[in-house]
Amino acid sequence: AQKVTQAQTEISVVEKEDVTLDCVYETRDTTYYLFWYKQPPSGELVFLIRRNSFDEQNEISGRYSWNFQKSTSSFNFTITASQVVDSAVYFCALSLGNTPLVFGKGTRLSVIA
Amino acid sequence: DADVTQTPRNRITKTGKRIMLECSQTKGHDRMYWYRQDPGLGLRLIYYSFDVKDINKGEISDGYSVSRQAQAKFSLSLESAIPNQTALYFCATSATRTGMIDTQYFGPGTRLTVL
Repeated sequence: AQKVTQAQTEISVVEKEDVTLDCVYETRDTTYYLFWYKQPPSGELVFLIRRNSFDEQNEISGRYSWNFQKSTSSFNFTITASQVVDSAVYFCALSLGNTPLVFGKGTRLSVIA
Repeated sequence: DADVTQTPRNRITKTGKRIMLECSQTKGHDRMYWYRQDPGLGLRLIYYSFDVKDINKGEISDGYSVSRQAQAKFSLSLESAIPNQTALYFCATSATRTGMIDTQYFGPGTRLTVL
């Protein structure tokens, strides 16, 4: 069975600090897909990134970056120079390719001005 | 207009009532999903459908049923609502792509309160 663990339940940082959200996954399959979603206070779920198991290249998008390491089964998300608008719950999720997403329990990030 | 819509957005009901939550999408996707979100538990899968004639149970299907009326519509029913079904419900859609999973896109959510 697949499992996603987000050990950090809540994180609080001061604006402009860098913050890393951890995601550890479990699967026996060699082909899988990892996702990050953002849920701002308004409640909707916003897709951020998808990564497949064959692509271990790190990705950077503006202040966001993702570090995928198969050796440690981790797909961590870093926000550089955090802003108040980054305050949200962030979910990591896993799919095997033909299966629905399995979500972690989420990490609530609070960025304080 | 939103690609994935859910109605109602908010609903308060009483124990024992039958409730239907509706989801419609204009994305042309064949796959649709229902999740519920509870504080501290993340999103858990209730039911999913890969096409109109396909219905599959998810992790927490007990107490729920679904209907896929058309490719664009997927309804979730609570036959006899109970208070522990109070939660935020999300519908999601995705497309089938040969060789890889496509991203799931979510509706705005329905906040259901069962008194």
